[in-house]
Amino acid sequence: GESVGLHLPTLSVQEGDNSIINCAYSNSASDYFIWYKQESGKGPQFIIDIRSNMDKRQGQRVTVLLNKTVKHLSLQIAATQPGDSAVYFCAENAGYNFNKFYFGSGTKLNVKP
Amino acid sequence: GAGVSQSPRYKVAKRGQDVALRCDPISGHVSLFWYQQALGQGPEFLTYFQNEAQLDKSGLPSDRFFAERPEGSVSTLKIQRTQQEDSAVYLCASSLEVRLGAFFGQGTRLTVV
Repeated sequence: GESVGLHLPTLSVQEGDNSIINCAYSNSASDYFIWYKQESGKGPQFIIDIRSNMDKRQGQRVTVLLNKTVKHLSLQIAATQPGDSAVYFCAENAGYNFNKFYFGSGTKLNVKP
Repeated sequence: GAGVSQSPRYKVAKRGQDVALRCDPISGHVSLFWYQQALGQGPEFLTYFQNEAQLDKSGLPSDRFFAERPEGSVSTLKIQRTQQEDSAVYLCASSLEVRLGAFFGQGTRLTVV
C-alpha cells in the first residue's frame, strides 16, 4: 500500500520566520497531493494542492514544491504567524485509486512569539 | 450551512452499544468521504460515496461498520456493537469532484468505555 510519511514530527519556528514542512511518499503512481492544516479539536483544513504535472504551486503565503524524482513534497509558509500553529498533513492520491487519499502522520508546527 | 456539519461532536458509548454518526455535506457536493482518525495519527480512509452510491467501502475495519447516503446528501456512519478500539475521531468530508480537495467537518469524537 501507499506510504506517506514526514521527516520531522515537530517543528518550532520563531514568529516571522519561514517554515518548511517536508513529506515523503512511496507510491510513484501518486499524481495528486494536498496539504491540510489541522488545529486542535477541528477537522483538517485544505491549504493547497498540486498535481504531478507541476513542480511548484503558490498560494497566499504558502508554496508547495513537488520533486517526483525523489518522491518528496514540501510546504513552505512565509512569515509564519502564531495562527499557523497546527498539525500539517500531506495527503496523496493515485489515479487508479481515485477516491482514496492517504495521509501522513503529520508534523506539528509550533510558532514562538 | 456553509461547511460540512457533523453531529454529535462527542459521543460516549458503552461497549456493545450501537452508535450513529451524522454528516451533512456542503450542498451540491457529489463526493462524500468518511475517515477515521486515531489520536496522534493522520486520517485513514473508511468509505466513499458518489451521490447515493457507495463506490468504495474497502476501508471499513469490520462488518460492524456500515455507512449510507440514501438521498445523495446526508450520510450516516453506523457502528454496531462498539468496541474500545473503535474509539477515535470520525471525520466526514465532501467535495464537488472526487479528485478535488475535500472539505472536512469538525468530526465526531467517539469514546467507547
